[in-house]
Amino acid sequence: DSGVTQTPKHLITATGQRVTLRCSPRSGDLSVYWYQQSLDQGLQFLIQYYNGEERAKGNILERFSAQQFPDLHSELNLSSLELGDSALYFCASSGRDARLLSEQYFGPGTRLTVT
Amino acid sequence: LAKTTQPISMDSYEGQEVNITCSHNNIATNDYITWYQQFPSQGPRFIIQGYKTKVTNEVASLFIPADRKSSTLSLPRVSLSDTAVYYCLVAPSGSARQLTFGSGTQLTVLP
Repeated sequence: DSGVTQTPKHLITATGQRVTLRCSPRSGDLSVYWYQQSLDQGLQFLIQYYNGEERAKGNILERFSAQQFPDLHSELNLSSLELGDSALYFCASSGRDARLLSEQYFGPGTRLTVT
Repeated sequence: LAKTTQPISMDSYEGQEVNITCSHNNIATNDYITWYQQFPSQGPRFIIQGYKTKVTNEVASLFIPADRKSSTLSLPRVSLSDTAVYYCLVAPSGSARQLTFGSGTQLTVLP
């Protein structure tokens, strides 16, 4: 158990819909990262937040957005969903060292299926 | 942006030492090398991280030659439960744009 929690575990929705994925980092961790893993694209970094502020952006679509709240939990919002958005979405957190590759702890993931 | 190249797959037998090599010819001065392990439908798990020479922890060793153009993850005496995908990551400290997981190496440990 990494200490990172994600909800829901599974999500099935239709094209065009909007969903919100939730992540709670390990206690004390200030950085939260979101990743997308699909069969054809592998594990892709989407975005990072550090103590409530956006720190870095990766291959995140404009239809996707994220935020980190004062209690440090984070939400990833996916809108106008397409079939190709079906994937595993992972959240990870790391400690107070803002260096990106400090050890990252991954949550169990949310499996999103868009039909 | 340092691209990494790893073997797509490797097979080994229980009890053997496994070495997985990652090539990163364009590694930059401030890049670190990190390895993660991932089981199916689970999030990746940090294994080890290093900058140069050798790093060892309770799980694995990481060997990095002086030119840092490659690195080798060494898993001693593997068991069936070590069957997983292993990712080599190279990225600069403090700069998130270049964070990229490669395709990884599928390690299969046979009885």
